[in-house]
Amino acid sequence: KAGVTQTPRYLIKTRGQQVTLSCSPISGHRSVSWYQQTPGQGLQFLFEYFSETQRNKGNFPGRFSGRQFSNSRSEMNVSTLELGDSALYLCASSTGLATDTQYFGPGTRLTVL
Amino acid sequence: AQSVTQLDSQVPVFEEAPVELRCNYSSSVSVYLFWYVQYPNQGLQLLLKYLSGSTLVKGINGFEAEFNKSQTSFHLRKPSVHISDTAEYFCAVSSNDYKLSFGAGTTVTVRA
Repeated sequence: KAGVTQTPRYLIKTRGQQVTLSCSPISGHRSVSWYQQTPGQGLQFLFEYFSETQRNKGNFPGRFSGRQFSNSRSEMNVSTLELGDSALYLCASSTGLATDTQYFGPGTRLTVL
Repeated sequence: AQSVTQLDSQVPVFEEAPVELRCNYSSSVSVYLFWYVQYPNQGLQLLLKYLSGSTLVKGINGFEAEFNKSQTSFHLRKPSVHISDTAEYFCAVSSNDYKLSFGAGTTVTVRA
């Protein structure tokens, strides 16, 4: 069974640009969550989608947005990039039950110059 | 809201020695507890989780953890580590809100 895939794996952008990251969950999984990982703030929850609906959202500015498609694939978008947005963005998928394991992808490394 | 404190940021240990990584959590509701491992340039991999029932949980690669409700702790242990256990370890908590709240992580360095 294929794992969670994230594209692209590496990305370099400049301040003010926008970026879209993609996540394909494990087949059959309907929940996708996004996390930001930085050396200073650690792992922080961005948002979670289940069957195209956002069920929970972390404490991030409105520049961070996401969506989920009918095939459960998800994208997150960051507009007006800032230097502090440089991070590893991790996507995780699960069946959607609160008790279920979240399976993580390898992440997208975003560098903002 | 839940929060997690990992009491040790770095743990050096010799090969074949035991290791314990400490994790305390705070929450006003019942929680589910997890330990994940992250190898360099990779995502997170689940080691084990506690949902309910027996307080001693066994996971992959010889790891185990004990849930202690009175001390709000969920410490991770391995009786004998290998070089390949060198990684960063994260304790996480969730309730019925579909998100994981992570601790700051503990870097384990295993030396020969």
